[in-house]
Amino acid sequence: EPEVTQTPSHQVTQMGQEVILRCVPISNHLYFYWYRQILGQKVEFLVSFYNNEISEKSEIFDDQFSVERPDGSNFTLKIRSTKLEDSAMYFCASSVEGLSSGNTIYFGEGSWLTVV
Amino acid sequence: GQNIDQPTEMTATEGAIVQINCTYQTSGFNGLFWYQQHAGEAPTFLSYNVLDGLEEKGRFSSFLSRSKGYSYLLLKELQMKDSASYLCAVRDDGDYKLSFGAGTTVTVRA
Repeated sequence: EPEVTQTPSHQVTQMGQEVILRCVPISNHLYFYWYRQILGQKVEFLVSFYNNEISEKSEIFDDQFSVERPDGSNFTLKIRSTKLEDSAMYFCASSVEGLSSGNTIYFGEGSWLTVV
Repeated sequence: GQNIDQPTEMTATEGAIVQINCTYQTSGFNGLFWYQQHAGEAPTFLSYNVLDGLEEKGRFSSFLSRSKGYSYLLLKELQMKDSASYLCAVRDDGDYKLSFGAGTTVTVRA
């Protein structure tokens, strides 16, 4: 079964450093997402991406965050200057379509980011 | 935005049935999803409701009442592997994203 893949699975970084999390969405999917989950808390939406541009973003997704689809397969999340509170599991997700009924969002296994 | 409420924890015995309730308040509505999440893993899709009524998928069923802003996930013939967090998520009309509740941790005991 096709799946969303993410790298790295774990990353430890120092506060203030830049981090890039990488994702390969399911190949025929057109909508891409990043979510995060701080330990013990709920899954929170960060950003959605369609047709090479951001379609929606949350208030969490401030100027330190950016997303990019550098080629036909990868989808990346960059955090420019990490803070301690950015420590979380970051999930990439994708879906075939955005708004049609029954459209399901499929999640990758996550990238666990620890900022020290 | 959405306000999505579900119980924090539930415990049940192997072989039993558990019902996880979810209430939501949204400005619009375009579907309710249930996901299962084992500790440290990704959420995996269980079910989807957009119309009122019951959707059955093997041991799992999900119900929706749009007028009441209410859904439940029913887990039958519980197995130890069903111990996990169950996430209720709602999509607003016009949105691409899902908004998640905090999740209900279900513990299945022998």
